[in-house]
Amino acid sequence: SQELEQSPQSLIVQEGKNLTINCTSSKTLYGLYWYKQKYGEGLIFLMMLQKGGEEKSHEKITAKLDEKKQQSSLHITASQPSHAGIYLCGADRLSGNTGKLIFGQGTTLQVKP
Amino acid sequence: SAVISQKPSRDICQRGTSLTIQCQVDSQVTMMFWYRQQPGQSLTLIATANQGSEATYESGFVIDKFPISRPNLTFSTLTVSNMSPEDSSIYLCSVMTGANVLTFGAGSRLTVL
Repeated sequence: SQELEQSPQSLIVQEGKNLTINCTSSKTLYGLYWYKQKYGEGLIFLMMLQKGGEEKSHEKITAKLDEKKQQSSLHITASQPSHAGIYLCGADRLSGNTGKLIFGQGTTLQVKP
Repeated sequence: SAVISQKPSRDICQRGTSLTIQCQVDSQVTMMFWYRQQPGQSLTLIATANQGSEATYESGFVIDKFPISRPNLTFSTLTVSNMSPEDSSIYLCSVMTGANVLTFGAGSRLTVL
């Protein structure tokens, strides 16, 4: 079965610093989602990537899906305390946007003011 | 994107009892998904609920333990039956919206004593 591994598991950065979170799949990625979760809350959709080499940005967050479609990275530029939370990558197990995702274990981000 | 409302947002229940979680969407959707997030863990898909048919359960989840109803295109319920402390989790409802975005509700945090 497909597995997603996120690295690092946790991250503490100083406000203003850049950071990258990686999500590596054991199989080809058909659709890769990035979400942010605040403690005890639901998931906030960040971005979805489908095509190898695709790159999307929203505000200070950029996500990429590599050409071989087995890894994605999430990059935050000039981090702020509002970026703190748990970042989860999720992947469609099958092609066709089924909604049936498997998720990585999450990366906990703390941003120190 | 769709707005998803879940009830209850949290509850504390006694072992052996059952709890029904409601999920209301502000637009009609074909498929609704129920996920579980156990403490310190990532999300796992429980089942897919289509209107007019029986829910499809993932490996490790059975209908007797997690009965699901889907009476119309905007509403679904998940019941957690005969609860034990191991059922303490956040239960999340999600739907696939336009542009193939999987949107999540805020979740229902269940604690079983």
